[in-house]
Amino acid sequence: KAGVTQTPRYLIKTRGQQVTLSCSPISGHRSVSWYQQTPGQGLQFLFEYFSETQRNKGNFPGRFSGRQFSNSRSEMNVSTLELGDSALYLCASSQDSRRVNGELFFGEGSRLTVL
Amino acid sequence: KNQVEQSPQSLIILEGKNCTLQCNYTVSPFSNLRWYKQDTGRGPVSLTIMTFSENTKSNGRYTATLDADTKQSSLHITASQLSDSASYICVGSNDYKLSFGAGTTVTVRA
Repeated sequence: KAGVTQTPRYLIKTRGQQVTLSCSPISGHRSVSWYQQTPGQGLQFLFEYFSETQRNKGNFPGRFSGRQFSNSRSEMNVSTLELGDSALYLCASSQDSRRVNGELFFGEGSRLTVL
Repeated sequence: KNQVEQSPQSLIILEGKNCTLQCNYTVSPFSNLRWYKQDTGRGPVSLTIMTFSENTKSNGRYTATLDADTKQSSLHITASQLSDSASYICVGSNDYKLSFGAGTTVTVRA
């Protein structure tokens, strides 16, 4: 069974640009959540999608957005990049994260560097 | 406000030794407590998930405990190996949201 696939794994952008990251969940999983991880802040929740609907959202500015497609694949977009957006962006999938013992499966992440 | 605090921030142990990581959580309403292992540059991997009724759970050389009264959890690593060098993240869950601790970085030295 294939795991969670995130692309690209590494990317470098400059301030003001925008970036789109992709996440393909495990087959059959309908929930996809996104996280930002920086050395000083740990994992910060961005948003969660379930069956193409955003179900939950973290405390990030509107420059961070996402969507989920009918095949459960998800994308997140960051516009007008800032230096502070440099981080590892992790995607996690689950059958349904709201199940009491709902297991989360993380991808390897997309490492974004903003210059 | 839901919070998860981990200690220590980092620790170094010799190969073959045991260690215990601590996690204090304030999550309401409480659903479950999770431990993840994250190797450098990789995504986190689940070690254990414990609900309110479970106070101990093992996964190989990893044993997690949960005290729902004191809202504390610990992760014990037995007979550490070099491959145990990683960040260990404690996560508290209510019905709608996961609260992540900052993690404990474990370095195992030969």
